[in-house]
Amino acid sequence: SQQGEEDPQALSIQEGENATMNCSYKTSINNLQWYRQNSGRGLVHLILIRSNEREKHSGRLRVTLDTSKKSSSLLITASRAADTASYFCATGGRYGGSQGNLIFGKGTKLSVKP
Amino acid sequence: DTAVSQTPKYLVTQMGNDKSIKCEQNLGHDTMYWYKQDSKKFLKIMFSYNNKELIINETVPNRFSPKSPDKAHLNLHINSLELGDSAVYFCASSPTHSSGNTIYFGEGSWLTVV
Repeated sequence: SQQGEEDPQALSIQEGENATMNCSYKTSINNLQWYRQNSGRGLVHLILIRSNEREKHSGRLRVTLDTSKKSSSLLITASRAADTASYFCATGGRYGGSQGNLIFGKGTKLSVKP
Repeated sequence: DTAVSQTPKYLVTQMGNDKSIKCEQNLGHDTMYWYKQDSKKFLKIMFSYNNKELIINETVPNRFSPKSPDKAHLNLHINSLELGDSAVYFCASSPTHSSGNTIYFGEGSWLTVV
């Protein structure tokens, strides 16, 4: 069954603005990952946050995790047109995915206008 | 060099036909996967193999038969294709099948059944 739910489903912003995407999940997890998918391409791993972490940074990306609310957010600062893509959260762990497999949400489609 | 490569990238075929999609990874990973992404971008795991052994089979019709001749290859054979099989199929790999691994995706195979 589907685990993650991203919100919003679609987001359109201007270049230079920040983009925030949210993910909610249903069961206990060991970790949560964010992936990016450009149109017509495969998914690319962005960042992993473990259940005992609250915040993680990677370049212009900032991920937060609130296990009490079963939610995570991905913030992209100073967005660029090249950030246009779909972003997926994925949960893994004994409850969030059997035998280590990741369960993906439906994704947020981000459009950054130049 | 492409880390996870799958062929063909595009496949158009008639209902009832049998087709195969091939996948190879040169990352030295132990675990390989097949995921299906439907028209709504929902990505769902189909199979997972670890060192040539099947470890996940997520209620996929038995018309779908994965074959792993060695740990670097995981091919997907589909018998008696149906219209509903039209989707993008992604091969992927990870170092092990434990949760917390980054999954590396291929570029996808676009299957259209007419």
